Amino acid sequence: KQEVTQIPAALSVPEGENLVLNCSFTDSAIYNLQWFRQDPGKGLTSLLLIQSSQREQTSGRLNASLDKSSGRSTLYIAASQPGDSATYLCAVKGGSEKLVFGKGTKLTVNP
Amino acid sequence: NAGVTQTPKFQVLKTGQSMTLQCAQDMNHNSMYWYRQDPGMGLRLIYYSASEGTTDKGEVPNGYNVSRLNKREFSLRLESAAPSQTSVYFCASSELGGMSTGELFFGEGSRLTVL
Repeated sequence: KQEVTQIPAALSVPEGENLVLNCSFTDSAIYNLQWFRQDPGKGLTSLLLIQSSQREQTSGRLNASLDKSSGRSTLYIAASQPGDSATYLCAVKGGSEKLVFGKGTKLTVNP
Repeated sequence: NAGVTQTPKFQVLKTGQSMTLQCAQDMNHNSMYWYRQDPGMGLRLIYYSASEGTTDKGEVPNGYNVSRLNKREFSLRLESAAPSQTSVYFCASSELGGMSTGELFFGEGSRLTVL
């Protein structure tokens, strides 16, 4: 059974800092891995999706990497801003329709 | 550009009442999902539908029923609501196969309280 873990559960950083959020998964037979952002009281917004054949994806200040052999993905946020404050979730899709989510990292960027 | 639309956004029920959460997507996706999100538990899959006319149980299906009415719509029904079903419910859709990436798109959520 696939398990997805995100550490730390919460992170607080000063504005302008570069930071890395971690996601680990137990079964390396994945179809894709997706990073989401969730603001309080809102739905999930897709940030980046990495297919199993890819190593990384970039969008603006965000870069996500995937290492299937070690069961890890990282989300790198450059030059963090207060507007980046949110909960970040990673989710892994295996061979079935089911997507398995981590419990998220709550990020606070302080002005 | 609506994406995934859920109704209602908020609902308060008494124990034993029934209700249906509606979900519609305009992206022509084959796959649709219902999740619930609870503090400390993360997102858990209730039911999913890989295509029109098919539905399958997820991780926590007990107490729920679903209907894939057509390709656009996927509803979630609580026949006899219980306080344990107090949660935020999310509908999502995606497309797999061919050139599709399998990216998952979510609705804004439906916040249900059962008293």
